[in-house]
Amino acid sequence: NAGVTQTPKFRVLKTGQSMTLLCAQDMNHEYMYWYRQDPGMGLRLIHYSVGEGTTAKGEVPDGYNVSRLKKQNFLLGLESAAPSQTSVYFCASSYPFVPGQGGGQETQYFGPGTRLLVL
Amino acid sequence: SQQGEEDPQALSIQEGENATMNCSYKTSINNLQWYRQNSGRGLVHLILIRSNEREKHSGRLRVTLDTSKKSSSLLITASRAADTASYFCATANTGFQKLVFGTGTRLLVSP
Repeated sequence: NAGVTQTPKFRVLKTGQSMTLLCAQDMNHEYMYWYRQDPGMGLRLIHYSVGEGTTAKGEVPDGYNVSRLKKQNFLLGLESAAPSQTSVYFCASSYPFVPGQGGGQETQYFGPGTRLLVL
Repeated sequence: SQQGEEDPQALSIQEGENATMNCSYKTSINNLQWYRQNSGRGLVHLILIRSNEREKHSGRLRVTLDTSKKSSSLLITASRAADTASYFCATANTGFQKLVFGTGTRLLVSP
């Protein structure tokens, strides 16, 4: 199993350009997440999805859009990139939490990250 | 906003020593998780402790949770150079498993 993969690994954009980051998982996880990580800070949740066709906003959603057309894929789009979006982006996936079931199935599995530089 | 705050921000020790890092959080939680991040890599899950648990072990890792103080600690015993990484705590509130991460502790283990 490849786990969680992200494409591309690194990208440089000019202000105003658009791009899409692709996340794919082969673990049949229901939930998927997009985070950004900035120096000196932990990960912050951008958007997440609890299933195919559903998405929701996280802590820092402005300037980003997402789509979950297939269960295994979660796309993060930047419509008009800004220098403030320079960051490392991580995708993660997990099983849903089911009350009464132990086992830590809600553990999140992370991809290797995408480094984005916006000039 | 960050839920968890790790302490210390950075820790430097020798191989064989124990490393302890602490995490404090603000609101009620369902569980608390610890993750490791090697430089330039994604996060790897280490251990999860539920709000009704007080201590958990996994290999050389020992995690404690004090919900009355809203704090947790991660102890790595007999540390190795390969343990050099950043360590993050993350809390999940009741209900949906949205994790909120702390700012991390950078651990350097010297041979």
